[in-house]
Amino acid sequence: DVKVTQSSRYLVKRTGEKVFLECVQDMDHENMFWYRQDPGLGLRLIYFSYDVKMKEKGDIPEGYSVSREKKERFSLILESASTNQTSMYLCASTMGPANYGYTFGSGTRLTVV
Amino acid sequence: ELKVEQNPLFLSMQEGKNYTIYCNYSTTSDRLYWYRQDPGKSLESLFVLLSNGAVKQEGRLMASLDTKARLSTLHITAAVHDLSATYFCASPQGGSEKLVFGKGTKLTVNP
Repeated sequence: DVKVTQSSRYLVKRTGEKVFLECVQDMDHENMFWYRQDPGLGLRLIYFSYDVKMKEKGDIPEGYSVSREKKERFSLILESASTNQTSMYLCASTMGPANYGYTFGSGTRLTVV
Repeated sequence: ELKVEQNPLFLSMQEGKNYTIYCNYSTTSDRLYWYRQDPGKSLESLFVLLSNGAVKQEGRLMASLDTKARLSTLHITAAVHDLSATYFCASPQGGSEKLVFGKGTKLTVNP
């Protein structure tokens, strides 16, 4: 089975801190994604990547950046955390073409205080 | 811009009853995905529908896809408490690998 591992299940950070959320997949998937999930808003795409060092903005990239130096790892960076970035963050990966949909990580619940 | 709409958003049903969740999407696609999410957990893939008329079944859940109507349904047969969860449908944007998700249907099955 494909595994997508998010390094932290829960995180509490202070306003203004730089925050790194890590995601690693073990099946050589080319495509990786970061979503945030908020009640009433569903899942919203922050950034995605089709290949190493390649990234594209999703629907809500403001306040975030990403890094993909190796195929298996896709990191989400909050440059200066703010309270409105308190959310559940979900990483996903898929092989292309996406006949099998996404495989999601277990999620990181981030609280910014 | 692709929009994916699910209804209902909340569904409370009794054990043993049948019901259908609807997923409409606004732009042409021949793929549709269903996911399940338990409280506090991540999303788990349920069904992948890859063509018009596709039907997939697992246990008490059956999903179908009508690409002409841009509609997918998730039918629940003889609901049991273990099916209580939030169900999401998702459609790919513009033939890409990006999925756009519906807002989810929170299903509660009462004894």
